[in-house]
Amino acid sequence: IAGITQAPTSQILAAGRRMTLRCTQDMRHNAMYWYRQDLGLGLRLIHYSNTAGTTGKGEVPDGYSVSRANTDDFPLTLASAVPSQTSVYFCASSDRVGSTDTQYFGPGTRLTVL
Amino acid sequence: GQNIDQPTEMTATEGAIVQINCTYQTSGFNGLFWYQQHAGEAPTFLSYNVLDGLEEKGRFSSFLSRSKGYSYLLLKELQMKDSASYLCVSMDSNYQLIWGAGTKLIIKP
Repeated sequence: IAGITQAPTSQILAAGRRMTLRCTQDMRHNAMYWYRQDLGLGLRLIHYSNTAGTTGKGEVPDGYSVSRANTDDFPLTLASAVPSQTSVYFCASSDRVGSTDTQYFGPGTRLTVL
Repeated sequence: GQNIDQPTEMTATEGAIVQINCTYQTSGFNGLFWYQQHAGEAPTFLSYNVLDGLEEKGRFSSFLSRSKGYSYLLLKELQMKDSASYLCVSMDSNYQLIWGAGTKLIIKP
């Protein structure tokens, strides 16, 4: 692995179903982030994590949850998907949160909720 | 409020120069990033400015004026592979990133 990987690449999901998007990084970065990207809008932060064991809410956290059991993995869970959660989801990492460090992005997961 | 404004789309010719402008309103200011995003791919870092002035990096340069809340990305000797969206991103005093919607740059032969 080099950088950040995300799985699945794309998914079509029925409304009301539970879904976990996976994210793994091998750069030993402390900080990790989940964003969603919608047409005509800037990236919006969903949740972030400063370090293993801690998480925080971003700009649009409702309907999503995260966990950070270790440094490498930062899964995003939709407990009960709704059509408004149709989006492209990007996981990112940086050496530190609360700094000007560059964020590195995974390839994204394209999620469609019907 | 916090806001980023950049043009939605621009068109330029291969070999030419293009300037993508960005204005920002940010609570406090900890710098301005530019990211490149090819269609269907992840954003990748291009530049970071925190002081006024021009920073040159190969064919790409980025300019910042803090007093005017203004930045631009200058791309020289355009190549077809430069067709992408360019995202202007400011960082506020809490180190939160405010992302612009991006400028889609179309390069024509």
